[in-house]
Amino acid sequence: GEDVEQSLFLSVREGDSSVINCTYTDSSSTYLYWYKQEPGAGLQLLTYIFSNMDMKQDQRLTVLLNKKDKHLSLRIADTQTGDSAIYFCAERLLTGGGNKLTFGTGTQLKVEL
Amino acid sequence: DGGITQSPKYLFRKEGQNVTLSCEQNLNHDAMYWYRQDPGQGLRLIYYSQIVNDFQKGDIAEGYSVSREKKESFPLTVTSAQKNPTAFYLCASTLRGEVDREAFFGQGTRLTVV
Repeated sequence: GEDVEQSLFLSVREGDSSVINCTYTDSSSTYLYWYKQEPGAGLQLLTYIFSNMDMKQDQRLTVLLNKKDKHLSLRIADTQTGDSAIYFCAERLLTGGGNKLTFGTGTQLKVEL
Repeated sequence: DGGITQSPKYLFRKEGQNVTLSCEQNLNHDAMYWYRQDPGQGLRLIYYSQIVNDFQKGDIAEGYSVSREKKESFPLTVTSAQKNPTAFYLCASTLRGEVDREAFFGQGTRLTVV
């Protein structure tokens, strides 16, 4: 079955690194994504990783994928107050009905001064 | 500019009424999706459509209906059968094939039942 889980809250100090974790259950994922949602807005794609990769770095963002443990993480270096938002991980699965996106519950990141 | 547009941004509905949320995209994307977002529950998939005139139920389809008569449009009707319709609704679209990597989202519609 498909289930994507995240912890609900994370609080960090400005300038520190943030690590947001995600676990998923379906090993047939093709792509895994990290999205950011600011209050009252839609979702904005931050980064993604193909399922045959272990790591991807994109400026302040580092994505690590452990396929064996079905664990995905997003590290934000030098976290700023503008990074405060809800972060969703998502997996893309190929089903009989086509591509399906399944999202995690979201992690609320609070950056304190 | 290409994008995905949801309207209205805020919607109020009386109990017992049906209401339709609009989602339009000019990205030439094949697939479109409707999600519901509740606090602490993340996004849950209501319906999705990979091509015109075809759609699939998601995880929480009961009390909702959709149509896909045009590639650009995927309206969602929240019927009176939906027990707890107050939520934030998000529409998304993607290219159909695996070469695509990103889902584009609209800005959402906040529905409140009064």
